[in-house]
Amino acid sequence: QQQVKQSPQSLIVQKGGISIINCAYENTAFDYFPWYQQFPGKGPALLIAIRPDVSEKKEGRFTISFNKSAKQFSLHIMDSQPGDSATYFCAASKNSGYALNFGKGTSLLVTP
Amino acid sequence: DAGVIQSPRHEVTEMGQEVTLRCKPISGHNSLFWYRQTMMRGLELLIYFNNNVPIDDSGMPEDRFSAKMPNASFSTLKIQPSEPRDSAVYFCASSLAPPNTEAFFGQGTRLTVV
Repeated sequence: QQQVKQSPQSLIVQKGGISIINCAYENTAFDYFPWYQQFPGKGPALLIAIRPDVSEKKEGRFTISFNKSAKQFSLHIMDSQPGDSATYFCAASKNSGYALNFGKGTSLLVTP
Repeated sequence: DAGVIQSPRHEVTEMGQEVTLRCKPISGHNSLFWYRQTMMRGLELLIYFNNNVPIDDSGMPEDRFSAKMPNASFSTLKIQPSEPRDSAVYFCASSLAPPNTEAFFGQGTRLTVV
């Protein structure tokens, strides 16, 4: 079964806007939460990741917010650009096992 | 480093034929993963190896699928016999041991079974 639930399935944002993608998980053993970005014809690539000892992590225009009690985490893309148009996957893994469980992905389109 | 290398990039085969997908992980990485990507199911973990040993193959759909890692620099995923529902993009990824858990993905093999 899907261990990580992701929404929305698709998202259209105007250039300069904020893109927000949400994920939820059930397994409390998960302790590593990465976001991957995938362009057409390419493999997914790590964008940013967080561990549950912090509630937020920011790298440039990309921020992960993490709510351990709600078992939810989200990706915020500030000042979205057309070059950010891609599919975004959230994932989760147990440190000991470290095989990633992926959400189903969000197709983001940033319009000029 | 060239990254994770997969071959072939595209494969078209007839139902019932054997298909072999190949992967060369990043040198020095000791974990290797095979994922399958479809529109309906997203990215599914098929199997992963740690130090060439299969750790979890619970994602392998059925006995038609098999994977091997004979050494640290090569892995294969075989489907025999192939079926149209196996059509998907198959990704191989590799990583170092924890806590460096970033998985690096290859470009994928797009498999079409007709």
